[in-house]
Amino acid sequence: EAGVAQSPRYKIIEKRQSVAFWCNPISGHATLYWYQQILGQGPKLLIQFQNNGVVDDSQLPKDRFSAERLKGVDSTLKIQPAKLEDSAVYLCASSATPGVGYNSPLHFGNGTRLTVT
Amino acid sequence: SQQGEEDPQALSIQEGENATMNCSYKTSINNLQWYRQNSGRGLVHLILIRSNEREKHSGRLRVTLDTSKKSSSLLITASRAADTASYFCATDVYTNAGKSTFGDGTTLTVKP
Repeated sequence: EAGVAQSPRYKIIEKRQSVAFWCNPISGHATLYWYQQILGQGPKLLIQFQNNGVVDDSQLPKDRFSAERLKGVDSTLKIQPAKLEDSAVYLCASSATPGVGYNSPLHFGNGTRLTVT
Repeated sequence: SQQGEEDPQALSIQEGENATMNCSYKTSINNLQWYRQNSGRGLVHLILIRSNEREKHSGRLRVTLDTSKKSSSLLITASRAADTASYFCATDVYTNAGKSTFGDGTTLTVKP
């Protein structure tokens, strides 16, 4: 099966500019996640979608970050305006629909490395 | 808040040796998963162990879970240079179905 696709792989922007990342999950996976991974740390969940609805966005800085998953398939994550501390790798992951009390493994894309100067 | 914490932060061994890394967590879990991340790549799922399981094997990987101590360990036997990567544990709790919380990982270097 084709894996999780993300683009672009790298992005360099100046602070206060805007940027968008795109993700196409594995076909048939209803759950999609965006994680932020700062160098030397583990991934931190930003937002979780179930089909095209938001399940959890409690860690998303909503004053500057936004995400959407139209039609319940691919998704975009946007940052506007960017800050220096947003420099990180943005990982998209998908999983089969979790059952009650059971979570399916996550399948990750290779991420977008964002550098804010 | 961080749920899982890996120990040690970094580990360097010779090819052929075994590598053991540990994960401790704070609250009761539904299951625990281990992932590997090669430099510049996304995370790859290795093993999922449920809260009612104590040990699981997959090839050269062995995972144990001790819910009384809220800890898990990942053992890689007969390590290879290709095992060089960062290893993360992720915990899932009953109240957050579908949400995995990651630790900061153990960086493993296997010298040829």
